[in-house]
Amino acid sequence: AQSVTQPDIHITVSEGASLELRCNYSYGATPYLFWYVQSPGQGLQLLLKYFSGDTLVQGIKGFEAEFKRSQSSFNLRKPSVHWSDAAEYFCAVGADYKLSFGAGTTVTVRA
Amino acid sequence: ETGVTQTPRHLVMGMTNKKSLKCEQHLGHNAMYWYKQSAKKPLELMFVYNFKEQTENNSVPSRFSPECPNSSHLFLHLHTLQPEDSALYLCASSPDLNEQFFGPGTRLTVL
Repeated sequence: AQSVTQPDIHITVSEGASLELRCNYSYGATPYLFWYVQSPGQGLQLLLKYFSGDTLVQGIKGFEAEFKRSQSSFNLRKPSVHWSDAAEYFCAVGADYKLSFGAGTTVTVRA
Repeated sequence: ETGVTQTPRHLVMGMTNKKSLKCEQHLGHNAMYWYKQSAKKPLELMFVYNFKEQTENNSVPSRFSPECPNSSHLFLHLHTLQPEDSALYLCASSPDLNEQFFGPGTRLTVL
């Protein structure tokens, strides 16, 4: 079965600074990979996805993620964070028609 | 109206009550899901429906009873719940059993 690990429970970053969220997965074959964002009291919004092809994928809100097969990782990055990026971020791996989610990383943005 | 909608957004119920959560999607998807999101825990997949047929029941207690009358609607019937069932219940739909689109959730409190 597939699994996802997000090693960082909470990250605090200054507005305008860069952000990187880590995600490691476990799955025997090439998985489908996703990053979702959840603002307080809201559902999950898809930021980006990787199915195949170019290992650097661009998403919405200026986010990008890089699939590294050798490291079983799919880290999310943003060059310059905005206060509105404060939220919880979930990495997910899709396999066997199901998504398995990591425990999430809470991002706090300080002025 | 587009996207995935859920009603009610908030629900408070006693342990002897019977209530239902509703999910509706106008995306033309054939797969629908129920998830439970508790504080500090990863999203837990509860049920999966594909073309109105239940394809996954992730060992969910019988006090949760799903219903999928058509591909656009999904219900979660609740009865004799416990306080530990208090959580955010998220509905999602998918065109291909991989990428999923989430509703805003129903915040359930069981007294």
